[in-house]
This record gives sequence, C-alpha cells and structure tokens, in this order.
Amino acid sequence: GAGVSQSPSNKVTEKGKDVELRCDPISGHTALYWYRQRLGQGLEFLIYFQGNSAPDKSGLPSDRFSAERTGESVSTLTIQRTQQEDSAVYLCASTLPSPTQYFGPGTRLTVL
Amino acid sequence: AQSVAQPEDQVNVAEGNPLTVKCTYSVSGNPYLFWYVQYPNRGLQFLLKYITGDNLVKGSYGFEAEFNKSQTSFHLKKPSALVSDSALYFCAVRDMSGAGSYQLTFGKGTKLSVIP
Repeated sequence: GAGVSQSPSNKVTEKGKDVELRCDPISGHTALYWYRQRLGQGLEFLIYFQGNSAPDKSGLPSDRFSAERTGESVSTLTIQRTQQEDSAVYLCASTLPSPTQYFGPGTRLTVL
Repeated sequence: AQSVAQPEDQVNVAEGNPLTVKCTYSVSGNPYLFWYVQYPNRGLQFLLKYITGDNLVKGSYGFEAEFNKSQTSFHLKKPSALVSDSALYFCAVRDMSGAGSYQLTFGKGTKLSVIP
C-alpha cells in the first residue's frame, strides 16, 4: 500500500518568506509526527498529533512554526518569516496506535 | 527523560566482514527500541524493533540487534556486510511509562561505510 508522502520534495525560498510543507500519512494511521533534521544531525521532534486530541507542540522551536492536521488526514507545517537556520530536511512520520513510526521521504528546505 | 547515544559517528567495515553499530539508551521505565536506516536523500526506513520477549531481534536486510538490559545497549549487527548497506543508521528509544511516552528520541546517527 501507499506509504507516507510529503510535498514538495525540495523547496528553495528567500529569507523572510513563508513556506508550507505537506504530509499525507498512511491511511488509517491515527498519529502523525513532524521532525527536523539539520545537516549531519539526528532527528529533532517538532510536533505530534493523535486523533482529535490537542497536539503536543513542545518541540516547535519558535512561534514562527505552526502545524495543523484535520482529523486523521493531511497535515501542514508552516514556517513564517523563514530564517537561514530553518534550512533542514523536514520529515513526517505516521503510526497506528503502535510503537513503529513510518517516515515519508522528507522535504528539503533551503532558505537563501 | 529518555536519551540515546551512538558513540561512533562513522564505522568502516570491509565487504563480507561482520558489522556492529553501537547504541546505548537511558529511560526511566521499560524501553521500546528501534533501528532505522537512511539512504542519501531519502527518508528513514524501519529496520527492526525490540518491544518485549527474545533479546535477539531479527529485522530487514539480514540485520539483527541484541537488547542487553544490564548494559542498556541495543547494538545493531550483521554477519556479512554488503556495499549496499552503506548508509546512515539511527537508533531510537521510546519510554513506555509516563507522560510523553509516544515520543521517539533518536541518536545522532552513525554513518556506515562498507568498503569493497
């Protein structure tokens, strides 16, 4: 079946612009995570959605970052007024109520 | 708080030789442990996990990992390395007790290079 998909695969933007990243989870997966991976680094947790519960936003690095998810479907991660330090690969993962997370291919964001 | 350490940034091994990628963890409760692999310009692919039961876990592509509770380790192993195994490997832990138990904490990754 289809895996987690993310779009766009690559995004180049100018400093100060807003960007929106999209994640389509595996159908039926109730939980969804966003992570940031800076060059040569591990994964940094950003936000977690579980069904209709309030999301865990504890990993968002600043108020320029926000994310939404409607029900158990698509999620969007929005970064406002992008900065060069926002350049990274943004990964999305989804899961059933089980421990294993399944990752999308990521969106590579470059802020010039 | 939970944490993962991958003490080696890079591991080099000759093709056909056994490989080990090390991981140690720290949690307050019982751990769920995972290994993921990342190929260049790709997302993370699930390799294997330890939840409970046998300490030796077998996963995809001939990889296995051994859970050692006393040493709080979960080293990834393969008896005979292939050049195609060259990639970035991440260990992750999830503490199944307490608040935030849905979060995975990842190590910084170990780059495996298999030399022909």
